[in-house]
Amino acid sequence: AQKVTQAQTEISVVEKEDVTLDCVYETRDTTYYLFWYKQPPSGELVFLIRRNSFDEQNEISGRYSWNFQKSTSSFNFTITASQVVDSAVYFCALSEARDNYGQNFVFGPGTRLSVLP
Amino acid sequence: KAGVTQTPRYLIKTRGQQVTLSCSPISGHRSVSWYQQTPGQGLQFLFEYFSETQRNKGNFPGRFSGRQFSNSRSEMNVSTLELGDSALYLCASGRPGTNTEAFFGQGTRLTVV
Repeated sequence: AQKVTQAQTEISVVEKEDVTLDCVYETRDTTYYLFWYKQPPSGELVFLIRRNSFDEQNEISGRYSWNFQKSTSSFNFTITASQVVDSAVYFCALSEARDNYGQNFVFGPGTRLSVLP
Repeated sequence: KAGVTQTPRYLIKTRGQQVTLSCSPISGHRSVSWYQQTPGQGLQFLFEYFSETQRNKGNFPGRFSGRQFSNSRSEMNVSTLELGDSALYLCASGRPGTNTEAFFGQGTRLTVV
């Protein structure tokens, strides 16, 4: 069975601090996809990144970076020099490649990040 | 390019009634999926449609149903509403392909009283 765990329920940091959001997943499949989404107060989920299980390269996009480690089943997300606009709920999600449509995600419970000025 | 549009944004219904929610995907997207978000259960997958056919279904009772039209627009229906159906219902669309990212609408906030 698939499962995504985000152990940090809430995190508060002061602006310009770095923050890492943890994500641990469980799956029996060898081919799967991992995602991070951001949910601001407006409600829609904003796509941040997609990573397949065969690509363990870390990725950096501006102030955002992701560390994927299959050995520990983790896909952690770091925001460098956080800003107030980063305040949101962040979700990690897993999708298995068993079907070709793949819009079926298992989401973690989310981490609420508050960045204080 | 317009995003995923969900209507209505807010809805208040009485227990026992039925409700229909609408979702217009991003132009060119043929896959539509629905999720229920509640404080207690988080984000849960309801169902997924592609080319007017339900491809996957989550673990929800038969009171929850949906359909997709030839223009890829989708509707979901909940019959015999219960208080526990109060939630944010999110629709997402995606390009055809293996496990592509989904783009979400702002959701419909349903309150059952």
